[in-house]
Amino acid sequence: EAGVAQSPRYKIIEKRQSVAFWCNPISGHATLYWYQQILGQGPKLLIQFQNNGVVDDSQLPKDRFSAERLKGVDSTLKIQPAKLEDSAVYLCASSLNRGPNEQFFGPGTRLTVL
Amino acid sequence: GENVEQHPSTLSVQEGDSAVIKCTYSDSASNYFPWYKQELGKRPQLIIDIRSNVGEKKDQRIAVTLNKTAKHFSLHITETQPEDSAVYFCAASGVFNKFYFGSGTKLNVKP
Repeated sequence: EAGVAQSPRYKIIEKRQSVAFWCNPISGHATLYWYQQILGQGPKLLIQFQNNGVVDDSQLPKDRFSAERLKGVDSTLKIQPAKLEDSAVYLCASSLNRGPNEQFFGPGTRLTVL
Repeated sequence: GENVEQHPSTLSVQEGDSAVIKCTYSDSASNYFPWYKQELGKRPQLIIDIRSNVGEKKDQRIAVTLNKTAKHFSLHITETQPEDSAVYFCAASGVFNKFYFGSGTKLNVKP
């Protein structure tokens, strides 16, 4: 079974630029998560999708972050404009259904904002 | 919402000794408690999990215990090895399969 795919793996941008991350979950997984992991901290949930609907986006800074999962499969997370404090690893995860179920993480995208 | 606290933040043990990491949670509706191991630069990997209808679960050198009344759960690693060195995260999940993570414990196993 293929795992959760993410791209790019690394991204370096300057502040005020925009950036987009892509995630393709495990086939058949209805729930998709985006997490932000700042160095030395645990993952913080940004947004959770169930199919193509948003379950929770309470911690998503909506003035600069947006995410979509239009067809209920892959998803994109965008930051515009980026700030220095957005430097982090952005992890995508998926799980089979609403659970409780194990979630599987992708390799992450390491973002550096200069 | 849920609040998960994890202790200690760092733990150093001698190879062969046991390591214990503790987490508390606040939401009594949480019913699934996974533990993840994250090596430097890599993704979190599930190492063991426990559901609220079980008090203890063991998998070789790793065990997890859950006390629902006190709202705490612990990870136990016996006969530690240098390859156990990593950051360990606990998490709690309940309604809508939303996960709340602890702040992590950096385990260092000295040869």
